[in-house]
Amino acid sequence: LAKTTQPISMDSYEGQEVNITCSHNNIATNDYITWYQQFPSQGPRFIIQGYKTKVTNEVASLFIPADRKSSTLSLPRVSLSDTAVYYCLVGDPHLEGSSNTGKLIFGQGTTLQVKP
Amino acid sequence: ETGVTQSPTHLIKTRGQQVTLRCSSQSGHNTVSWYQQALGQGPQFIFQYYREEENGRGNFPPRFSGLQFPNYSSELNVNALELDDSALYLCASSWGGGAPVSGELFFGEGSRLTVL
Repeated sequence: LAKTTQPISMDSYEGQEVNITCSHNNIATNDYITWYQQFPSQGPRFIIQGYKTKVTNEVASLFIPADRKSSTLSLPRVSLSDTAVYYCLVGDPHLEGSSNTGKLIFGQGTTLQVKP
Repeated sequence: ETGVTQSPTHLIKTRGQQVTLRCSSQSGHNTVSWYQQALGQGPQFIFQYYREEENGRGNFPPRFSGLQFPNYSSELNVNALELDDSALYLCASSWGGGAPVSGELFFGEGSRLTVL
């Protein structure tokens, strides 16, 4: 599974848009990019997943350039409750014939601190 | 929809003892994976169970073992506990199999193990 690099920490203020960039230079053709959010003493929670261009859901947007060697998670108008660790993961969740969906490699993640 | 539940939520053991952690997967999910998360680190993949068999293992010694039952619930067993085993143990469930899936993992709240 491809290794990812992301900033250790970021600060923001309530109401601002936050962009967290992740580098994954060795991403494979079949790999998808997935972001998880984790609050202290809780399990990670799926935010968004994409393969190319742009993906948007009710929580965030994910921007992936054409070369797919990086991706940017965008959180619009953050609030204090968005303070958490955000993990970028790269892998192939679609291996047919066997289950590979549980084998995720987490890095240290980006600790986002939202201030009032 | 029933989420992933883990028990116990907290426990304290001493070096050399054995521990069993339990996980009930989300309704409809047949794959369970286990992660160890040390303080300040991202979750580390231990192993995954699919159709009651171990299907992939991370860099953990054999004293970490597991089971998956016909109802897809799972146990993580750790023998000869060491101080470094102190961590949050996370269980995640997903649907694995022939059909392409989103790759989203659903995590439980975790079991906090302290080894003294």
